[in-house]
Amino acid sequence: QVQLQESGPGLVKPSETLSLTCTVSGGSISSYYWSWIRQPPGKGLEWIGYIYYSGSTNYNPSLKSRVTISVDTSKNQFSLKLNSVTAADTAVYYCARVSPAAQYYYGMDVWGQGTTVTVSS
Amino acid sequence: SSELTQDPAVSVALGQTVRITCQGDSLRSYYATWYQQKPGQAPLLVIYGKNDRPSGIPDRFSGSSSGNTASLTITGAQAEDEADYYCNSRDSSGNPWVFGGGTKLTVL
Repeated sequence: QVQLQESGPGLVKPSETLSLTCTVSGGSISSYYWSWIRQPPGKGLEWIGYIYYSGSTNYNPSLKSRVTISVDTSKNQFSLKLNSVTAADTAVYYCARVSPAAQYYYGMDVWGQGTTVTVSS
Repeated sequence: SSELTQDPAVSVALGQTVRITCQGDSLRSYYATWYQQKPGQAPLLVIYGKNDRPSGIPDRFSGSSSGNTASLTITGAQAEDEADYYCNSRDSSGNPWVFGGGTKLTVL
């Protein structure tokens, strides 16, 4: 079955760029939408954006000016870059797959375990 | 408005039925998607669309909608259902960015 694994630095300095990669195993990245979601400590979920395997993207307006999501189908990976980070970007970052059955509703059926990113000097 | 409002906390006696609600203007046009999240775990998709459950989700979970309110009902709540529940739907542009603040369900 499909599994997702986030990877990247756990500590990022303020004003720098947060970079994370999600590796898809057990299946192909092709023909699906892939998302990044984050959750600040003790708070709710925030959808950052999503990418189709072909490379088309859609970003949450609240983060759009700072976000880039990209895909590398040859490596079965997709990535997140968030620039000019502040302490408010400290969160658990999840990657997830939009379920093909729930695609119209953007239901995400496979999630990574999440990776904690702390923004601090 | 693109906001979704959930009660912060709800409790239910073991084996009883509980309804978790989500309110927002967008729910007049779009169904809610529901996620369960246990401490230290990633969210789990439990309901999407009118009332669809992914494979492996028990049929005690069901969804419904009326006006600007979507509901997740657990019929015969079990101890393992104790978790945070989040609703998600679309904003006025049709994008799926909007999450409710979450409801912490306690099973007594």
